[in-house]
Amino acid sequence: GDSVTQMEGPVTLSEEAFLTINCTYTATGYPSLFWYVQYPGEGLQLLLKATKADDKGSNKGFEATYRKETTSFHLEKGSVQVSDSAVYFCALSEVWGGKLIFGQGTELSVKP
Amino acid sequence: GAVVSQHPSWVICKSGTSVKIECRSLDFQATTMFWYRQFPKQSLMLMATSNEGSKATYEQGVEKDKFLINHASLTLSTLTVTSAHPEDSSFYICSARGGQRGQWDTQYFGPGTRLTVL
Repeated sequence: GDSVTQMEGPVTLSEEAFLTINCTYTATGYPSLFWYVQYPGEGLQLLLKATKADDKGSNKGFEATYRKETTSFHLEKGSVQVSDSAVYFCALSEVWGGKLIFGQGTELSVKP
Repeated sequence: GAVVSQHPSWVICKSGTSVKIECRSLDFQATTMFWYRQFPKQSLMLMATSNEGSKATYEQGVEKDKFLINHASLTLSTLTVTSAHPEDSSFYICSARGGQRGQWDTQYFGPGTRLTVL
């Protein structure tokens, strides 16, 4: 079945460091890919998405490119801030608007 | 826009009682709502999908008689945990799909409900 695998956390970085959170997926078709972020004590928020191969999703300085050849959707940010500390979830949806399959989440902690 | 609320945000109940959790889309009509369960330090697991006016579709392994889902209107879905037991203690999260054009493939999540069964 479909699945999403993320790099294990927690990831601890200093402010202004470069961030990469790896995400790979297994799917039978051509899924849409998402990154969600969960700040402490809050619900999940959509960070960015990509719906087809080679699409790049971007938001708030974060980027991820849909790589069909490597079945990956790695999240990157050039310079993290303390306020980026949160849990990040990679997810896919096989059916347009359908159920989401989540990775296990990666906790990011950014120190000043 | 695209705000989803849940009520209550946390609830503590005795074993054997039933608990109802509400999920509301505040500024859009949600044709589809989803219910997830999240264990500490783990990912979200989909429990069921509900479309307004029809019966919910449950994921394999989820007891439909235990977790009753009602989606009676385009802005409200409810999850009732019947005869709750300590193992039902968890963080329950709903999401809603619909709303703005171009965002119909996006799910918007509620803040979650922490259920503790004593």
